[in-house]
Amino acid sequence: QVQLQESGPGLVKPSGTLSLTCDVSGGPISSNIWWSWVRQPPGKGLEWIGDMYQSGSTDYNPSLKSRVTISLDKSKNHFSLNLSSVTAADSAVYYCARIISGHDYSNSYYYYAMDVWGQGTTVTVSS
Amino acid sequence: SSELTQDPAVSVALGQTVRITCRGDSLRSYYASWYQQKPGQAPLLVIYGKNSRPSGIPERFSGSNSGNTASLTITGAQAEDESVYYCNSRDSFTNHVMFGGGTKLTVL
Repeated sequence: QVQLQESGPGLVKPSGTLSLTCDVSGGPISSNIWWSWVRQPPGKGLEWIGDMYQSGSTDYNPSLKSRVTISLDKSKNHFSLNLSSVTAADSAVYYCARIISGHDYSNSYYYYAMDVWGQGTTVTVSS
Repeated sequence: SSELTQDPAVSVALGQTVRITCRGDSLRSYYASWYQQKPGQAPLLVIYGKNSRPSGIPERFSGSNSGNTASLTITGAQAEDESVYYCNSRDSFTNHVMFGGGTKLTVL
């Protein structure tokens, strides 16, 4: 059973770069799967940051795209998030997740869901 | 529109049926997925696809889609179902992913 665990500094200075890692256990990261980062500011809802496929393909939230990089290290079975030029507004709980997706041909619909989540890690941006 | 809209709060009497809705243009081509989140915990997937439940999710949770609206139905709500529920989808043109604002469910 796949499990995910986020890790990284809990405190980042303003204008610095937030760097987090998501360790994947119980299965290879290089399988035919997309991986995702999601964040949740204190008391607020979920915000999608971006997705990455094992081939290196990425999709990013347009509101964060200029500051976000998601990368994948197959040798370490983990994927990472870098968010640059951070401000207090980037303070949040950051989650990594595994994506399941596909096409329901009989109904001409697609599906997309995050079926496995890490426990989340809190990042505070403050001097 | 690339947004998903949910009612902020819904309440249900213990043992009764409740429907939580999610609206957005992306739902015309993507099924909504639904997540339950309790305070201090990571979101938990409860419904995905046309109406699929991950292992361990009770049968009282079900989902449906019609036009630009998706619904999560809890048939016979239990006290432990009191949570915030989020819908989630993806835009078929941009591949951008979105979450609804969340619905806080209170079980009375």
